[in-house]
Amino acid sequence: DGGITQSPKYLFRKEGQNVTLSCEQNLNHDAMYWYRQDPGQGLRLIYYSQIVNDFQKGDIAEGYSVSREKKESFPLTVTSAQKNPTAFYLCASSKQGSTNEKLFFGSGTQLSVL
Amino acid sequence: GQQLNQSPQSMFIQEGEDVSMNCTSSSIFNTWLWYKQEPGEGPVLLIALYKAGELTSNGRLTAQFGITRKDSFLNISASIPSDVGIYFCAGRNTGTASKLTFGTGTRLQVTL
Repeated sequence: DGGITQSPKYLFRKEGQNVTLSCEQNLNHDAMYWYRQDPGQGLRLIYYSQIVNDFQKGDIAEGYSVSREKKESFPLTVTSAQKNPTAFYLCASSKQGSTNEKLFFGSGTQLSVL
Repeated sequence: GQQLNQSPQSMFIQEGEDVSMNCTSSSIFNTWLWYKQEPGEGPVLLIALYKAGELTSNGRLTAQFGITRKDSFLNISASIPSDVGIYFCAGRNTGTASKLTFGTGTRLQVTL
């Protein structure tokens, strides 16, 4: 089935540790995104990539890093510089160049600090 | 970053009742999307709107793109227990490439 796969579903981070969240899509979408969701709040954009080997900072990029070496993969690293990493992280993708562009989401990764 | 004003923040309704929620923005949008999110899952796209005044239905759900292009509305008719979740609006304007701005969500609870 076509879709967006995020892993792991739950992740725990120790103090000073970097952790990487995986996002893979087989929809042949050009653009991929990472959002952070805190309880009772909307989605905030961390990073996005419109093409392989290129990515842009979103509204809350500090403490995070990404790479886009392959069209289907867009991993997010939560670095030790992110002091409040506990949140629900959502990966999304879209097919660019269409006037009817829609965003499709994965099922999310819950990150917690030990 | 900008966030849309979405209201109400939460709703508690009885099964069978109709539901209305809306989003307003200070900016003009050319796309409005409505999503539903269930606990521990990613948002699922319900309805997409691309033209001012457009009215689109998806089963018991109906959404409208406001004439001013600064607002959108979602209605759910004859609610059922599986309608429970958080409903998000999202908007995009021509100046922001692919970036969507999300509302803060409306949490819907349905009682029997």
